[in-house]
Amino acid sequence: NAGVTQTPKFQVLKTGQSMTLQCAQDMNHEYMSWYRQDPGMGLRLIHYSVGAGITDQGEVPNGYNVSRSTTEDFPLRLLSAAPSQTSVYFCASSSLGTWATEAFFGQGTRLTVV
Amino acid sequence: AQKVTQAQTEISVVEKEDVTLDCVYETRDTTYYLFWYKQPPSGELVFLIRRNSFDEQNEISGRYSWNFQKSTSSFNFTITASQVVDSAVYFCALRGYGQNFVFGPGTRLSVLP
Repeated sequence: NAGVTQTPKFQVLKTGQSMTLQCAQDMNHEYMSWYRQDPGMGLRLIHYSVGAGITDQGEVPNGYNVSRSTTEDFPLRLLSAAPSQTSVYFCASSSLGTWATEAFFGQGTRLTVV
Repeated sequence: AQKVTQAQTEISVVEKEDVTLDCVYETRDTTYYLFWYKQPPSGELVFLIRRNSFDEQNEISGRYSWNFQKSTSSFNFTITASQVVDSAVYFCALRGYGQNFVFGPGTRLSVLP
């Protein structure tokens, strides 16, 4: 029972580098999302998707890209890393509709941009 | 707009004390869900409870209990006889018609031996 698998767990980037955070879920959830967690600010929504081929921006989308080519995968791309993107990133998935479930989270990625 | 407020940034108690974590939410949706998550020092997010807007029954699970009051838009969480292992950051979250989750800023609970 894998649930939500998020990789890598830790990453250090230099300013200007790009990278992709991977997220995969095996629960056939329609809804997937990315959050960043910064001290004292809770979890802020970066991007989300309600199904393959459908993505939308959340509260803090600048500097990030997403795509959803399959139900299972929802990668997050940092185009040109900046120190302000140093954070802990979480991927989450959930079902939609009347029987909406709680969000199931990956283990998190601690990203440091130097 | 939807909003979740957790006014208590940090709480410190001594083991075996009872502690209540406050959560106040704002939404114009008539159907919504409320959640509590625990984030222990290891960093993962652990789901604790889900409550929908039509179910105002309080819930008890072991030492944990939740008090949902629609009239005051609150969904408070009480830990009875706290233990050191309860030390964590606790997040309250709201999910409405728009399907996105909105999280509060979290309350850091420290239980001292």
